[in-house]
Amino acid sequence: DQQVKQNSPSLSVQEGRISILNCDYTNSMFDYFLWYKKYPAEGPTFLISISSIKDKNEDGRFTVFLNKSAKHLSLHIVPSQPGDSAVYFCAALTGTASKLTFGTGTRLQVTL
Amino acid sequence: GAVVSQHPSWVICKSGTSVKIECRSLDFQATTMFWYRQFPKQSLMLMATSNEGSKATYEQGVEKDKFLINHASLTLSTLTVTSAHPEDSSFYICSARVAGPYNEQFFGPGTRLTVL
Repeated sequence: DQQVKQNSPSLSVQEGRISILNCDYTNSMFDYFLWYKKYPAEGPTFLISISSIKDKNEDGRFTVFLNKSAKHLSLHIVPSQPGDSAVYFCAALTGTASKLTFGTGTRLQVTL
Repeated sequence: GAVVSQHPSWVICKSGTSVKIECRSLDFQATTMFWYRQFPKQSLMLMATSNEGSKATYEQGVEKDKFLINHASLTLSTLTVTSAHPEDSSFYICSARVAGPYNEQFFGPGTRLTVL
């Protein structure tokens, strides 16, 4: 049972444009969401997070939006850069459990 | 942010041998570490939660006798893949939890295991 889903396995965006990565979840107990970036053969690196009490969090080129009623979050990267090319995972956890539940990942390719 | 290391970064072994992977938190103490496994083009799957000074908690479907976890100190957890077989070939990643309101996790760089 995949509680966190990223329905787009891949995304290609031109440099300078906006990249939008989507994530849906089913467990209403999740109250904190994170986005990780991962290069091949490396561990994930934390990008940005959002608490369920917020609907938006911004950090430089990265903005995460949360729609609790739709159980949907998205990561916006603008402007996209070639170095952003990687696999992006969304993850969720509940306040009572420390276990991260990861989505299936979206491979972002930023082209010149 | 906090730094987590893993050793080795890659290992090739023969079928039937055992392989130990170390996960260390370099600049902080971690009472809880996590072990994940990633298959090609798939998500990170939590294998077990490693608690310092106590037995690890394994996720459903993970064989605890196959994947031995020892959390010997506040900065070190080890995963031993016993009697490894080719199907155990995978990318193993650990993370360490930093105490705080949301218990943020920092990930190690991963270990690529190939069993011949």
